[in-house]
Amino acid sequence: DTGVSQDPRHKITKRGQNVTFRCDPISEHNRLYWYRQTLGQGPEFLTYFQNEAQLEKSRLLSDRFSAERPKGSFSTLEIQRTEQGDSAMYLCASSLPDRGNTIYFGEGSWLTVV
Amino acid sequence: GESVGLHLPTLSVQEGDNSIINCAYSNSASDYFIWYKQESGKGPQFIIDIRSNMDKRQGQRVTVLLNKTVKHLSLQIAATQPGDSAVYFCADSTSGGGADGLTFGKGTHLIIQP
Repeated sequence: DTGVSQDPRHKITKRGQNVTFRCDPISEHNRLYWYRQTLGQGPEFLTYFQNEAQLEKSRLLSDRFSAERPKGSFSTLEIQRTEQGDSAMYLCASSLPDRGNTIYFGEGSWLTVV
Repeated sequence: GESVGLHLPTLSVQEGDNSIINCAYSNSASDYFIWYKQESGKGPQFIIDIRSNMDKRQGQRVTVLLNKTVKHLSLQIAATQPGDSAVYFCADSTSGGGADGLTFGKGTHLIIQP
């Protein structure tokens, strides 16, 4: 499978716990994006990287959310002190760097906070 | 910018008929538009995209039309099949999908009747 890979696919956690999601982009895609999707809504842009540089992070939902891409390949999205409102699907996507290149999404990581 | 989905939340069509899904966007600076198909529990799957210097683009059984004057986007699916049943999202961007991400509408649920 050469698509965007996300892990874990499902995560149930207790309120207050920290969770981390991993994303492996399509090979040679140096742009990587994180989105959040709640039931009945379209995906909502959170942040993006070009190689290891996080070029946009103002749309992260709160300071409990952080993302890294230390070597410019895989990325992690961490949510600290989870709240029930964080329950959603977290989508990773990747693309080539040129303007207008198609953004391909992974299958998402479902988070349920209980 | 915000993309407002001018859409029917649900569109039901007969198998074999053509489907038209509509979307409106609000940001006149948007220069890149894209349609995704999302099946239950899965990530968005790329269908077709179009840049603002075009008004029509065709793919396999799909056509996207862009009317910049009224800020309207449509997706036409020819000879719909049961496998076309899904939620369809339009999205737009002012940076080719990069720095500002994609702004998604709320989606249209396409139901194919046998």
